[in-house]
Amino acid sequence: GNSVTQMEGPVTLSEEAFLTINCTYTATGYPSLFWYVQYPGEGLQLLLKATKADDKGSNKGFEATYRKETTSFHLEKGSVQVSDSAVYFCALSFSGYSTLTFGKGTMLLVSP
Amino acid sequence: EAQVTQNPRYLITVTGKKLTVTCSQNMNHEYMSWYRQDPGLGLRQIYYSMNVEVTDKGDVPEGYKVSRKEKRNFPLILESPSPNQTSLYFCASSFEGRGTDTQYFGPGTRLTVL
Repeated sequence: GNSVTQMEGPVTLSEEAFLTINCTYTATGYPSLFWYVQYPGEGLQLLLKATKADDKGSNKGFEATYRKETTSFHLEKGSVQVSDSAVYFCALSFSGYSTLTFGKGTMLLVSP
Repeated sequence: EAQVTQNPRYLITVTGKKLTVTCSQNMNHEYMSWYRQDPGLGLRQIYYSMNVEVTDKGDVPEGYKVSRKEKRNFPLILESPSPNQTSLYFCASSFEGRGTDTQYFGPGTRLTVL
């Protein structure tokens, strides 16, 4: 079946540090890939997405590139802020229906 | 404001006492679904609905029921809750239910079954 694997957290960084959260997937075919973010006490919200190979999704300084050859969708940000502290979920879905398969989530903690 | 609302936000109940968690969206979305979030397991889908009167099981449907009588509402029903259903529940919706669609999540309902 389909699955998503993310690096375990928490990831702890100082403000302005570089962030990478690794995400790899196993799927039959070519899914759409997503990063969702969950701030404390809130629901999930879309951070960025890519719907085909080599697409780059970007938003709020975060980026991720859909790499078919390595089945990866790593999340990066050049300079994190305290306000980026949250749980980040990598997910995939297939055309035809919206069911998301999520990774287990990675908590990011950014200190001043 | 476009949003998905859930009620209640917090609920403590006892084993066997039927409960309903409501979900409503004001974006005219066709697709709605329920997920549960558990530590170390991420989010898993319970049920989904592609449109009114069309529902189907997700990955973990046992012990849950849903209905979709109106486009905007998608309640989650626990007929006889058990402690293993203690979890954080999220309702989500998307425009047409395509795999490329963005899903919009509600704020969550934290359920404790004693």
